[in-house]
Amino acid sequence: DARVTQTPRDKVTEMGQEVTMRCQPILGHNTVFWYRQTMMQGLELLAYFRNRAPLDDSGMPKDRFSAEMPDATLATLKIQPSEPRDSAVYFCASVRQGVGTEAFFGQGTRLTVV
Amino acid sequence: GQQVMQIPQYQHVQEGEDFTTYCNSSTTLSNIQWYKQRPGGHPVFLIQLVKSGEVKKQKRLTFQFGEAKKNSSLHITATQTTDVGTYFCAGPQETSGSRLTFGEGTQLTVNP
Repeated sequence: DARVTQTPRDKVTEMGQEVTMRCQPILGHNTVFWYRQTMMQGLELLAYFRNRAPLDDSGMPKDRFSAEMPDATLATLKIQPSEPRDSAVYFCASVRQGVGTEAFFGQGTRLTVV
Repeated sequence: GQQVMQIPQYQHVQEGEDFTTYCNSSTTLSNIQWYKQRPGGHPVFLIQLVKSGEVKKQKRLTFQFGEAKKNSSLHITATQTTDVGTYFCAGPQETSGSRLTFGEGTQLTVNP
């Protein structure tokens, strides 16, 4: 049963600490999205990649956030330094472009910055 | 940039009542997708509409795509408690292809 895997599921950290979230897209999916979900903002697109190349990261605060795809099986989202306002659920989703555009979501990483 | 708006933001219904959520995009969409997110869960794909004016049904759910490909609706007939969750529409811009922008979602609660 193919699925998108995100780690960690939950993360509590202190303000100022670095946070790294990881995502393993479904094998063969060539497009990966990072979304942030809060009660106020819904599903906010932070960045996305096609064939590991970043296509759009305009939704991401550049001073503290960075997103990379070091290889086709791993996408990372890093926050350094973290702030309380970064507390949210971060979802990764992958799509197999060319076959369809249905996005498969991971379970999410619930981040709490205290 | 592209904006996708949904109304209403919240809807409370009695079990058995109908429910409709509406989605409007500021730009033409190549397709519209609908997702459901259960409380504490992650968004799960329901359906995709591609053609102008398209209507699709899944049991008690009816999905429509507007003629101008800028709006869509999801209608649930005779809601059940299992319908509880947040319903999102999402669409890639026709000009950008793959950038998938979500609406704010409509949170549905169903009172038994």
